[in-house]
Amino acid sequence: AQRVTQPEKLLSVFKGAPVELKCNYSYSGSPELFWYVQYSRQRLQLLLRHISRESIKGFTADLNKGETSFHLKKPFAQEEDSAMYYCALSPRGNTPLVFGKGTRLSVIA
Amino acid sequence: NAGVTQTPKFQVLKTGQSMTLQCAQDMNHNSMYWYRQDPGMGLRLIYYSASEGTTDKGEVPNGYNVSRLNKREFSLRLESAAPSQTSVYFCASRAGGTRNYGYTFGSGTRLTVV
Repeated sequence: AQRVTQPEKLLSVFKGAPVELKCNYSYSGSPELFWYVQYSRQRLQLLLRHISRESIKGFTADLNKGETSFHLKKPFAQEEDSAMYYCALSPRGNTPLVFGKGTRLSVIA
Repeated sequence: NAGVTQTPKFQVLKTGQSMTLQCAQDMNHNSMYWYRQDPGMGLRLIYYSASEGTTDKGEVPNGYNVSRLNKREFSLRLESAAPSQTSVYFCASRAGGTRNYGYTFGSGTRLTVV
């Protein structure tokens, strides 16, 4: 069965410090992976797709198939990065995304 | 360019009342989804519609029904609301096809059942 694990419910870092939000997945095939961000009381927004290999708002994520991980990283955290972050896996075909339980990032000034 | 529109944004129901949450998308997406978001539980799939005319159960379908009215609209109905259905409900859509751009989400409906 497909599963996405985000081991940290809450991550607190100081402004300017590096950030790494962990995501591990379980899937037998080749998944497509996403990171979504939800700012306070707003809708979820797509942050990154692994397949596009782009950097958005300074965030990057690399798919590591050996470790089945897709960790989200940013070298210098900003206060406006404080939000809820969800990692999601898309099995092949038209089946729904599988979401992790989310990690709340708090950036302290 | 509205994207995914959900109504209402807020609702308070008494136990046993019924209501329908509305969702509409203007992106010509094939697939639509209903999730509930609860603290510590993340997003859990209630129902989805892979294409117009089809609906399927997700992880937590009990107590809910859905209707894919047409390609644009996908509604979620609570027939007899219970306090356990207090949650934030998100509708999402996806284009489908071979290129996977993930979901576009609506702004959510915050439902309280008392």
